[in-house]
Amino acid sequence: SQQGEEDPQALSIQEGENATMNCSYKTSINNLQWYRQNSGRGLVHLILIRSNEREKHSGRLRVTLDTSKKSSSLLITASRAADTASYFCATDAGYSGGYQKVTFGTGTKLQVIP
Amino acid sequence: KAGVTQTPRYLIKTRGQQVTLSCSPISGHRSVSWYQQTPGQGLQFLFEYFSETQRNKGNFPGRFSGRQFSNSRSEMNVSTLELGDSALYLCASSPKRNIPGELYEKLFFGSGTQLSVL
Repeated sequence: SQQGEEDPQALSIQEGENATMNCSYKTSINNLQWYRQNSGRGLVHLILIRSNEREKHSGRLRVTLDTSKKSSSLLITASRAADTASYFCATDAGYSGGYQKVTFGTGTKLQVIP
Repeated sequence: KAGVTQTPRYLIKTRGQQVTLSCSPISGHRSVSWYQQTPGQGLQFLFEYFSETQRNKGNFPGRFSGRQFSNSRSEMNVSTLELGDSALYLCASSPKRNIPGELYEKLFFGSGTQLSVL
């Protein structure tokens, strides 16, 4: 079963607008990561936030984490057509036997209209 | 540095056949994870290998197996293929996954093998 679920499932915005997507997860985590996937390709790591962090920035990306609500959000500011992709949150629930198991959410499909 | 390489890129098989997929991690990466991606189930964790040993396993039947070689290259095998095995199979590598730290925790993905079972 999926550890994380993203909301919304799909999002369509105009270029220049901000895009916000949310991720909820079920168990306690060590860290949460966001990845981007262009159609039919592999995933690319965007940003990692630890369980003791509340907010993190990287360029046009802003990630927040609320461990009490078991949720995270990814904000992309001033979106561009090139941001069109699917976005996934991924949680690391701990070091099972010394090695982590990363599980992915269901993804948000973002379309940025030029 | 070359990225994660998966071969083949596309594969068509029929029910009952078996298939082997290959993954070459980034040079120096010792951990290789495999994921199955389908429109209905999303990304599902299959297994992870580190130093030729399987360290974690997802909830897949025994028809799904894998191995890792001494050069960290990995293969996964699916026997007795079923229609539901049609999916994009993604491989991801990481330098050394049992040490906390962003350098070690993020995954580097290949482009995947698109498997179609007819």
